[in-house]
Amino acid sequence: EVQLVESGGGLVQPGGSLRLSCAASGFTFSSYVMSWVRQAPGKGLQWVSTINLSGGTTSYADSVKGRFTISRDNSKNTLYLQMNSLRAEDTAIYYCVRELLWFGEFDYWGQGALVTVSS
Amino acid sequence: QSVLTQPPSASGTPGQRVTISCSGSSSNIGSNYVYWYQQFPGTAPTLLIFRNNQRPSGVPDRFSASKSDTSASLAISGLRSEDEADYYCAAWDDSLRHQVFGTGTKVTVL
Repeated sequence: EVQLVESGGGLVQPGGSLRLSCAASGFTFSSYVMSWVRQAPGKGLQWVSTINLSGGTTSYADSVKGRFTISRDNSKNTLYLQMNSLRAEDTAIYYCVRELLWFGEFDYWGQGALVTVSS
Repeated sequence: QSVLTQPPSASGTPGQRVTISCSGSSSNIGSNYVYWYQQFPGTAPTLLIFRNNQRPSGVPDRFSASKSDTSASLAISGLRSEDEADYYCAAWDDSLRHQVFGTGTKVTVL
């Protein structure tokens, strides 16, 4: 069974940092592109970042570029999202998602990690 | 900042057919596959439709989807109370070079 389990969410002050982790199991992690998608409270879905199989290619939404860094450790079957210089508008549930292809569908989603940026 | 436009709500009585539209442009729906996701309150989204009209295993055939030019639609036939959820369309955008989502539609079963 495919499982994606996020951790690391919490309350952080504006300007602070947080690192999200996503532990993957039930599939060959290194064979899949991985992404982060977020959802602000009461709002819709927004793509945040994507990383390729090896970790050598990444892409970011303009709203997080230069502040967030996506990475992966295929030996640990884990995806990461390092979030720096956090703003109130980054408050959201962050979902770890799997996709077979870079431009394909998000076929499995984690349960999400809540990040709240507030003083 | 959603790129794809959906009606905010749709409703129907049990057994009825409900249709949700998703409007985009030539850089997304017009040239790429459309996906649909279902999200129940307090839970993560799940993939409902991929490659315009394909259902993952386990998705009832009451759910169907189509695409035409720069628009797509999701139909729920034989509406059931358990279909109450938010529905999002999505597609790759060639200009933005990333996935874009629709604004979302809340389906209510009256």
